[in-house]
Amino acid sequence: KAGVTQTPRYLIKTRGQQVTLSCSPISGHRSVSWYQQTPGQGLQFLFEYFSETQRNKGNFPGRFSGRQFSNSRSEMNVSTLELGDSALYLCASSFEGQGQETQYFGPGTRLLVL
Amino acid sequence: AQSVTQLDSQVPVFEEAPVELRCNYSSSVSVYLFWYVQYPNQGLQLLLKYLSGSTLVKGINGFEAEFNKSQTSFHLRKPSVHISDTAEYFCAVSRAGASKIIFGSGTRLSIRP
Repeated sequence: KAGVTQTPRYLIKTRGQQVTLSCSPISGHRSVSWYQQTPGQGLQFLFEYFSETQRNKGNFPGRFSGRQFSNSRSEMNVSTLELGDSALYLCASSFEGQGQETQYFGPGTRLLVL
Repeated sequence: AQSVTQLDSQVPVFEEAPVELRCNYSSSVSVYLFWYVQYPNQGLQLLLKYLSGSTLVKGINGFEAEFNKSQTSFHLRKPSVHISDTAEYFCAVSRAGASKIIFGSGTRLSIRP
């Protein structure tokens, strides 16, 4: 099976712009979670989508949003980018998103905001 | 709420020496415990997980961890490290029915030849 894929791998934007990141889960997986990784804050949970519905949300401002399509692919969007949004964005997929399941992570999208 | 503390931000060891990476957690409910590894410029890979049962968990690449409920710890060990083990290691928790993983701050393992 192919692993979790994320596109693009690298992205450079300027403050005020918006960005959309994409994540394709492992085939058959219906849960997709997003995490932000920064040197200062570490790995933080953004949100989780399951069957096209946001099921869980972390403590991030409304500028961060996401969606999931019927094929389980997910996108996350960040509007009005700030310098502090520079980070590695990781997505992870699992079959049903239950706590005991192994979550499989993609390689990440590295976003640099100038 | 759950939280995870990784006591060492960096651990340098010599090749073929044993290593222990420390992790403590706190939670008011039962949790599942994980160790993930992140190699440079890559995503996270699961090393091992504790769900229930035997407190000694064996994972990939020769790593193992021991769940200690009384000390709320889940330390990761390897008897003999290799240069290829150079990476950042994250301890993490989740709870039943929830996909959200709470990660520790990470421990950077550097192996000296």
